[in-house]
Amino acid sequence: EVQLVESGGGLVKPGGSLRLSCAASGFTFSYAWMNWVRQAPGKGLEWVGRVKSRIDGEPTDYAAPVKGRFTISRDASKNVLYLQMNSLKTEDTGVYFCTTGFNPLGAWGQGTLVTVSS
Amino acid sequence: DIQMTQSPSTLSASVGDRVTITCRASQSVNYWLAWYQQKPGNAPKLLIYKASSLHSGVPSRFSGSGSGTEFTLTISSLQPDDFATYFCQQYDTSWTFGQGTKVEIK
Repeated sequence: EVQLVESGGGLVKPGGSLRLSCAASGFTFSYAWMNWVRQAPGKGLEWVGRVKSRIDGEPTDYAAPVKGRFTISRDASKNVLYLQMNSLKTEDTGVYFCTTGFNPLGAWGQGTLVTVSS
Repeated sequence: DIQMTQSPSTLSASVGDRVTITCRASQSVNYWLAWYQQKPGNAPKLLIYKASSLHSGVPSRFSGSGSGTEFTLTISSLQPDDFATYFCQQYDTSWTFGQGTKVEIK
């Protein structure tokens, strides 16, 4: 069974940093394109960024609001996806989900809440 | 960036109704379009991918159609479990989500 479990969320002050983790199981992690998606309280879904597979060379892409502040990486030996978030802003507050997207199809974690507030 | 526009934003319907939600892309996304259902406090659930392919385990009352810039999600006979928020998503160029359609009880 494909499973994704996020952790690492919490309360952080503006300008601070936080690293989220996503533990993956049930599929060949190094072959999957992995994404982070976030959802501000009461709002819609916003794509944060992705890392492509090892075969593709693991390039990363980011949405404009987080480019230069967030970094996505993966540790294939541990089957863990990371989201390093620096220079956090209040508008980064929300639930952060990791997801495979479409290969495997439709796997999402339960999300981890990040609150940026003074 | 590709923008996705859903309509309506809110939809009031009764059990048994046929429901249609529309999603328009600012440029062609071919058939790289997905639909999700989300309930409060839960992660989104994939319903439809490649515009019209039903994800495993999703009831057949859900269907998707369209290509290019215009897409629809149809629920043929609304069930109590279907009251939720629905999002479209393009995955032709990076990812972009529509703003969501909340399906409420009439």
